[in-house]
Amino acid sequence: EDQVTQSPEALRLQEGESSSLNCSYTVSGLRGLFWYRQDPGKGPEFLFTLYSAGEEKEKERLKATLTKKESFLHITAPKPEDSATYLCAVRNFGNEKLTFGTGTRLTIIP
Amino acid sequence: DTAVSQTPKYLVTQMGNDKSIKCEQNLGHDTMYWYKQDSKKFLKIMFSYNNKELIINETVPNRFSPKSPDKAHLNLHINSLELGDSAVYFCASSAYDGAEAFFGQGTRLTVV
Repeated sequence: EDQVTQSPEALRLQEGESSSLNCSYTVSGLRGLFWYRQDPGKGPEFLFTLYSAGEEKEKERLKATLTKKESFLHITAPKPEDSATYLCAVRNFGNEKLTFGTGTRLTIIP
Repeated sequence: DTAVSQTPKYLVTQMGNDKSIKCEQNLGHDTMYWYKQDSKKFLKIMFSYNNKELIINETVPNRFSPKSPDKAHLNLHINSLELGDSAVYFCASSAYDGAEAFFGQGTRLTVV
């Protein structure tokens, strides 16, 4: 069974303090690894898809990377508006479902 | 112009009642899903439909019955509601196997 573990569970950073979120996964055949952002009271918002080890994607202050066992979401010089829960999910080959981790709750303090 | 919309946003009901949540997507996607997010914010898939055909049913009680009248709609009907059904239910859609999923804003169901 596919498994996704995210760490840390919660992270508080000062504005401008860069850091990384971790997503470790176990899947028999990785079809894709997905990062989402979820704000309170809203649905998950798609950020990135990574398909193979070594792949990287960037969007504004966020950069996602992928190895064969884990993915990192790097946040550079974060702002308070980056505060949210960040969710990681994997999809297996031949499987329509996304398996999610429990998320990292990120708080950026002004 | 909302891509995935679900109604209602909030639903408060008594134990034993039957209720429905509606979902529509205007993205032209072939696959739609229902996810449940519990109090610890863990998202777990319940159902997946592809072109109106049930693909995934993840050990969900028979009281939950999805219905897809066409590929743009996937409704969730729940019979005999129980306290443990209280959660946030999300509808989502994706273009094809392996594509990212787009989520609705969620329906917060509270059973009292």
